[in-house]
Amino acid sequence: EDKVVQSPLSLVVHEGDTVTLNCSYEVTNFRSLLWYKQEKKAPTFLFMLTSSGIEKKSGRLSSILDKKELFSILNITATQTGDSAIYLCAVGSYSGGSNYKLTFGKGTLLTVNP
Amino acid sequence: DAGVTQSPTHLIKTRGQQVTLRCSPKSGHDTVSWYQQALGQGPQFIFQYYEEEERQRGNFPDRFSGHQFPNYSSELNVNALLLGDSALYLCASSLAGLLNEKLFFGSGTQLSVL
Repeated sequence: EDKVVQSPLSLVVHEGDTVTLNCSYEVTNFRSLLWYKQEKKAPTFLFMLTSSGIEKKSGRLSSILDKKELFSILNITATQTGDSAIYLCAVGSYSGGSNYKLTFGKGTLLTVNP
Repeated sequence: DAGVTQSPTHLIKTRGQQVTLRCSPKSGHDTVSWYQQALGQGPQFIFQYYEEEERQRGNFPDRFSGHQFPNYSSELNVNALLLGDSALYLCASSLAGLLNEKLFFGSGTQLSVL
């Protein structure tokens, strides 16, 4: 059975701190690893990684994938209160040819205090 | 360009009842997936529809069924509701085919079963 494990499950920091969120996985027919931010209801897309060792960056957020060790990290530098959210890691995999689905971890609840 | 829309936003039902949730995919998308997110958990894959057929299914009982219409919109039906069905139900849309692996999510339907 496909498995995605995120750590820590929750984290409280002060504005300006740097945080690192972890995601490890065991998935058959791995295709991609995605990070989503969930503030209220709808998860919103942050990054998709398919190749090992290539860092993706968007402003203060960055992510990297290690396909050999089966994990990814999401870094947020100079955190702001608006970064408070649940961060979801999901692994995309194919089955039966072209059937693609995401398997999610439980998420990391990040709280940034002013 | 409308994103993924879901209705209703909230729903309260009693045990044993039946419920229908609706989803309209993002413009240009032809594949709809449904996820269940219980409190404190990551989204869990229910099933996926493409070309009006169920293409793959997660570990959910037959009480969960769905449908996709020719305009790509979709419904999720749950029969004989249990207390444990209380959750946020998320619809995600995508475009079928390799390299189209980013799912876009709606804001969900919050279902409470009393």
